[in-house]
Amino acid sequence: SQQGEEDPQALSIQEGENATMNCSYKTSINNLQWYRQNSGRGLVHLILIRSNEREKHSGRLRVTLDTSKKSSSLLITASRAADTASYFCATDAGGQAGTALIFGKGTTLSVSS
Amino acid sequence: EPEVTQTPSHQVTQMGQEVILRCVPISNHLYFYWYRQILGQKVEFLVSFYNNEISEKSEIFDDQFSVERPDGSNFTLKIRSTKLEDSAMYFCASSEGKAGGTDTQYFGPGTRLTVL
Repeated sequence: SQQGEEDPQALSIQEGENATMNCSYKTSINNLQWYRQNSGRGLVHLILIRSNEREKHSGRLRVTLDTSKKSSSLLITASRAADTASYFCATDAGGQAGTALIFGKGTTLSVSS
Repeated sequence: EPEVTQTPSHQVTQMGQEVILRCVPISNHLYFYWYRQILGQKVEFLVSFYNNEISEKSEIFDDQFSVERPDGSNFTLKIRSTKLEDSAMYFCASSEGKAGGTDTQYFGPGTRLTVL
């Protein structure tokens, strides 16, 4: 089954603007995580939101989770050129450590100065 | 800040050859993982490892693949007879093993495997 499908696939904005990326999933989850990947590089963990949480903040990042709609959003405020990267949501349905993360295809964010 | 490290960063091999990809997980972590990302595609789970045993594996992780923790620090992925379709970026990850849905997986920078 498909999990963690992000939209839009690509997003281009100007520095200073906000960027919103969405993620939808199909099965119940234990938590949802967002990762960033700079071109050809590794995955950097951004934030984890548990299934019983609705919103979480970390610096310029704000993540929401709506389990009734099986969706999450990642908002990056006051974007910078350095935020240019691909952003992935990953779901964990297992409920215990060691469970596979299921990744979406990602949103490619381009921030121009 | 502790990081997951991987070597080599790029491996080129001939089809049919064996490759070993190496990872050093974060030192106090108990769970280790391998994922792969074929160019332009999703990151896909291969296997998780805990207490010297495979904890979970995907359909991709067939008999051509094996994992090992040969010593107290390294975690390896072996592909016995590489195929062209094994060309991908391979990511190692590790996690502390926290309960309650808060176990974060931290990823290494990846090894780009090219099979010719």
